Amino acid sequence: GENVEQHPSTLSVQEGDSAVIKCTYSDSASNYFPWYKQELGKRPQLIIDIRSNVGEKKDQRIAVTLNKTAKHFSLHITETQPEDSAVYFCAAGPMEYGNKLVFGAGTILRVKS
Amino acid sequence: EAGVTQFPSHSVIEKGQTVTLRCDPISGHDNLYWYRRVMGKEIKFLLHFVKESKQDESGMPNNRFLAERTGGTYSTLKVQPAELEDSGVYFCASSLPNNEQFFGPGTRLTVL
Repeated sequence: GENVEQHPSTLSVQEGDSAVIKCTYSDSASNYFPWYKQELGKRPQLIIDIRSNVGEKKDQRIAVTLNKTAKHFSLHITETQPEDSAVYFCAAGPMEYGNKLVFGAGTILRVKS
Repeated sequence: EAGVTQFPSHSVIEKGQTVTLRCDPISGHDNLYWYRRVMGKEIKFLLHFVKESKQDESGMPNNRFLAERTGGTYSTLKVQPAELEDSGVYFCASSLPNNEQFFGPGTRLTVL
């Protein structure tokens, strides 16, 4: 079955710097890669996702890149702000009927002001 | 539009007791998923409903866990009898076919 590894487990950056979180997956059948952000005491919320037919997707300060050959994908946050502090989860799965997601262990991002 | 709701938000029970968690998906979402996060580890898949049918229950840990979705609306997840290792946060998510999954706020279960 699918296995997702996520690094780093914790990341501290200075406000305004960039943050990068990396994930690898094992199952080449996975073709959908969402990223969820969970703020303290709140529900996980989708912030960006990418499908395997594209290599990069950007939404304002957030971007995701996908390398299908190497089976890894990354989340990039530029110009970090204190409100970006949260736990970030990557996930992988088949975007088809019955989309079971396999998650990474999460990255605690702290943005210091 | 109301999001996915879960009840209760917290539950503290003793080993050997029974607990039932409830999830109300977004209206119109036929797909309903249960996940669990234990001790700060990854969010792990438990099972997936399509309407009232179990599509995939490969993540259910053992037969102490029973999930139902009678009528294809809300779902319940019962743990009987609860063990210490069942402690964690139980998330429910729902989606339209081939679409993003919306998560509920989770139920934090503590088994003493």
